[in-house]
Amino acid sequence: DVQLVESGGGLVQPGRSLRLSCTGSGFTFGDYAVTWVRQAPGKGLECVSFIRSKPYGGTTEYAASVKGRFTISRDDSKSIAYLHMNSLEIEDTAVYYCTREGVFTPRFDSWGQGTLVTVSS
Amino acid sequence: DIVMTQTPLSLSVTPGQPASISCKSSQSLLHRDGKTYLYWFLQKPGQSPQLLIYEVSNRFSGVPDRFSGSGSGTDFTLKISRVEAEDVGLYYCMQTIQHPRTFGPGTKVEIK
Repeated sequence: DVQLVESGGGLVQPGRSLRLSCTGSGFTFGDYAVTWVRQAPGKGLECVSFIRSKPYGGTTEYAASVKGRFTISRDDSKSIAYLHMNSLEIEDTAVYYCTREGVFTPRFDSWGQGTLVTVSS
Repeated sequence: DIVMTQTPLSLSVTPGQPASISCKSSQSLLHRDGKTYLYWFLQKPGQSPQLLIYEVSNRFSGVPDRFSGSGSGTDFTLKISRVEAEDVGLYYCMQTIQHPRTFGPGTKVEIK
């Protein structure tokens, strides 16, 4: 079965850093782009970061709200995508989900359970 | 960025009755490859979002046929032919034609 599992969330002070991981299983991780989507408490969904698969250049995209502070990367040998979050702000408090985008399969067909990041002093 | 809007923002439906949600995009979602990149998701209470419809009208695997999607260009609709109790939650439309991907604000569906 296709599975995505996020980890690394927690409580962090404003200005500090955190690294989230998204581990895939049940499919060839390197064949898929990965998107991080977040949901602030009681709010809607926001795509914050995207990384293409290596065959498509492995290039990245960021939402304006996180550009320059967040960095997405991937290690296909471990089937993991990372979201490095620096200079965290209170507004970054959210559940962070990872999801995949395939070329020959519907995009966003599988989501992880999410990991909660709380930025607070 | 492409702005996605949804109406209504909330919907209270009697079981067995139909429901309809409208989604509009600020730009056409028709790609030069001929596909229209409009997706629908349902987020049930306490759960991750789940894919319902992709590319306007294609039901994802396992999605009941009471769900259907239609539309073109910038105007889209999700219809539930007969709402069931398990359909409660937040419905989001999303465009995937360009980055950043953007979602509508969500439509909360509850049962009367």
